Amino acid sequence: DSGVTQTPKHLITATGQRVTLRCSPRSGDLSVYWYQQSLDQGLQFLIQYYNGEERAKGNILERFSAQQFPDLHSELNLSSLELGDSALYFCASSVAGAGGYNEQFFGPGTRLTVL
Amino acid sequence: GDSVTQMEGPVTLSEEAFLTINCTYTATGYPSLFWYVQYPGEGLQLLLKATKADDKGSNKGFEATYRKETTSFHLEKGSVQVSDSAVYFCAFGGYSGGSNYKLTFGKGTLLTVNP
Repeated sequence: DSGVTQTPKHLITATGQRVTLRCSPRSGDLSVYWYQQSLDQGLQFLIQYYNGEERAKGNILERFSAQQFPDLHSELNLSSLELGDSALYFCASSVAGAGGYNEQFFGPGTRLTVL
Repeated sequence: GDSVTQMEGPVTLSEEAFLTINCTYTATGYPSLFWYVQYPGEGLQLLLKATKADDKGSNKGFEATYRKETTSFHLEKGSVQVSDSAVYFCAFGGYSGGSNYKLTFGKGTLLTVNP
């Protein structure tokens, strides 16, 4: 158990809908990272938050957004869903946000299926 | 651009066989290199890392050596066990446009070890 929790574990929805994925980092970790894992694209970095502020952006679509709250949990919002958004979404956390490598601890993921 | 290429799977071995999973990278500068492992139904876990050329990372019988001249970080284990069945990801970490440290992952290699 990495200490990172993600809910829900599975999510099934229809095209055009909007969903929210939730992540709670390990106690004491200030950074949260979101990744998308799909069969064709592999593991793609989406976005990073550090202590409530956006720190880095990766291959995140405009239909997707995220935020980190004062208690440091994070939510990833996916809207106008398409079939191609079906994937595993991972959250990871680390102690710090920049200035060198800090080991990222991954949650178990949320499997999103868009029908 | 920066990328990681790793051996495509799936790889199927018998218990006690020798394992090699190849990984090469394209990156500017001198990245740190990592192998992550994902067991069924779980998130990624850091398996080993190497932060500079000629470093050898090792953990749980797995080893990988940072070869700058061939830009490679091949994963090896002398005698695999059924419990090693998992997906293995090669990754490198570096600074991408500023002070933010970013991990770039390969597509993963599924290893199945049969008794």
